[in-house]
Amino acid sequence: EDQVTQSPEALRLQEGESSSLNCSYTVSGLRGLFWYRQDPGKGPEFLFTLYSAGEEKEKERLKATLTKKESFLHITAPKPEDSATYLCAVQGASGGSYIPTFGRGTSLIVHP
Amino acid sequence: NAGVTQTPKFQVLKTGQSMTLQCAQDMNHNSMYWYRQDPGMGLRLIYYSASEGTTDKGEVPNGYNVSRLNKREFSLRLESAAPSQTSVYFCASSAGVFYEQYFGPGTRLTVT
Repeated sequence: EDQVTQSPEALRLQEGESSSLNCSYTVSGLRGLFWYRQDPGKGPEFLFTLYSAGEEKEKERLKATLTKKESFLHITAPKPEDSATYLCAVQGASGGSYIPTFGRGTSLIVHP
Repeated sequence: NAGVTQTPKFQVLKTGQSMTLQCAQDMNHNSMYWYRQDPGMGLRLIYYSASEGTTDKGEVPNGYNVSRLNKREFSLRLESAAPSQTSVYFCASSAGVFYEQYFGPGTRLTVT
């Protein structure tokens, strides 16, 4: 059974204070690890896909990295508008099942 | 492009009533999904359609039915609503089962 654990559950930062969010996973046959951002009252918004260990992707103040057991979402010099819940999901390919597994998310608040 | 649209945005039902949630996408995606999101539980997959003409159960299918009407539309039906089905429902679509998903704005359903 695929599993995703995100930590911490909640994170409060001051504007400009860099930090990282963690996504630990177990999956049979990783086909992709996905990061999403979700604002209150809205649907998740796609950020990144990572496919193999060592891969990195960047977008503005966000950088996602991947190892064989976990992924990190690094936030550099965050701004209040980066406040949101960040979701991690994995897609495996075992037994013909195409059900993605989502973590419960990290709620990030950035104070001005 | 509207992306993924869902109707209605809000709905209140009484126990035992039925309703259908509608979802449409204009991105020519092959795969479509229905999730529910509850506090502390994260996103859970109800049903998905890997391609037009196919549907499969997700993690929590009991009490729901789906119809992939055509490539654009995927509906979710509650035949006899129960209070345990009070939740926020998200529809999503992707180019294929191993690709990132694009989510709609959600339907907030309350069953009394």
